[in-house]
Formats: sequence, structure tokens, C-alpha cells
Amino acid sequence: AIQMTQSPSSLSASVGDRVTITCRASQVIGNDLGWYQQKPGKAPKLLIYAASSLQSGVPSRFSGSGSGTDFTLTISSLQPEDFASYYCLQDYNYPWTFGQGTNVEIK
Amino acid sequence: QVTLKESGPALVKPTQTLTLTCTFSGFSLSTSGMRVSWIRQPPGKALEWLARIDWDDDKFYSTSLKTRLTISKDTSKNQVVLTMTNMDPVDTATYYCARTSCSGTSCYLDYWGQGTLVTVSS
Repeated sequence: AIQMTQSPSSLSASVGDRVTITCRASQVIGNDLGWYQQKPGKAPKLLIYAASSLQSGVPSRFSGSGSGTDFTLTISSLQPEDFASYYCLQDYNYPWTFGQGTNVEIK
Repeated sequence: QVTLKESGPALVKPTQTLTLTCTFSGFSLSTSGMRVSWIRQPPGKALEWLARIDWDDDKFYSTSLKTRLTISKDTSKNQVVLTMTNMDPVDTATYYCARTSCSGTSCYLDYWGQGTLVTVSS
């Protein structure tokens, strides 16, 4: 199975900060990667699909980039509602695999 | 409006078989391109993809759980059922179903149910 290594596992940031989360695949996956946000006690929410396509209704401060093995989720200006956990998911081949998650905390 | 909701037992005993039902609305699994996946999350841990079923009855499974999982659909009821045999305490998790859409070669989980917590304990 393809392993997805996400970093950092947690970070502390302030409102207004630019935040970057990375995901590295153990093999080339093209652009078959999505990013999900999860708040405590809630289901995950799709932010980005196909590495860089913004899901409808998601604020434009979220962006995704990368292809091949290295991918990035960027939050351009962190807002109070963005404090959550973030996961990448590769859909290149089966079984689909998630990264281990990044917890974004308030500094 | 797309909605999904998981249902099933909150508590199962070790070695028992778990049966979870995902009841959805706003789309039909008899429509070309429609798919539904199951995902789980142990308390405080990461998400794990389990299985997917497509409109044409194609099925895909987690490699590590393949021998224990069965996914099926009832298009007349707008339901997808996941069974997991030989339950163990390590299977304690919140189980989610999610509509799965694809664009080109990329697929993604665009609508999720609220999740249902299943505890495995004697």
C-alpha cells in the first residue's frame, strides 16, 4: 500500500498566519490527492481534490499544490474557524490511504 | 441536497459480525458515476479507508481488512451495507460513509455522514 507521510503532526499558529502542511507519498501518485479538514466530534470535510482543485464553498484562503510524490496544503491567512485537524488522502490506487493527520492549534 | 447517515449497533462483542447501514438521499447509486465509501477512525487516531462500491457494483477493499469486509448496495432503498466479521476491540472506532465522486482520474469524498461510534467489548 502507498504510505502517506504528513508533516508536521501538529503545529501552533496565530490568527493571520500563513500555514503550510505537507504530504509525501511513498510512490508517484500523479495528482490523485485530496485534503480534508476535521473538527473535534465532526465528520471530515473535503477542502481540495485532484491536488489543487478547490471544493465548491471552501474559502479561497485554502490552496493545494504538488504532483508526483510531494504535496502541500496552504492556508494563506489562518482564521479562528481553521483550527482543526487536516488529513491528506491518496486515491491513486487501492487501498486508498490517509496521512496520519496534522493538528493545527492556537498559539 | 445530498445527505448520508450511518446506522448500526453501538456495542458489539468480540468475534461478532458488525453490520452497518448507510442510508443516503440526494443521489442514486443506480446512476452512472455514483459511488459510496466507508471510512473509520479509532478514538484519537487517524482516518482509515475501508471499502468502496460503485454504481456498476464494482467493489474495492482495504488490503489489510479484505478478508473480513463485505460491501453491498440496495439501490431501491438508497442504502449501502458494510459487514465486518470477527470484530476485535481494536476495531472500536467511529465509522463513516461518504459519497465518492470522481473528476478525471481523481476521486474524492465530497459528502460525509455524521459517523457512528462502534465499541467492541465483552
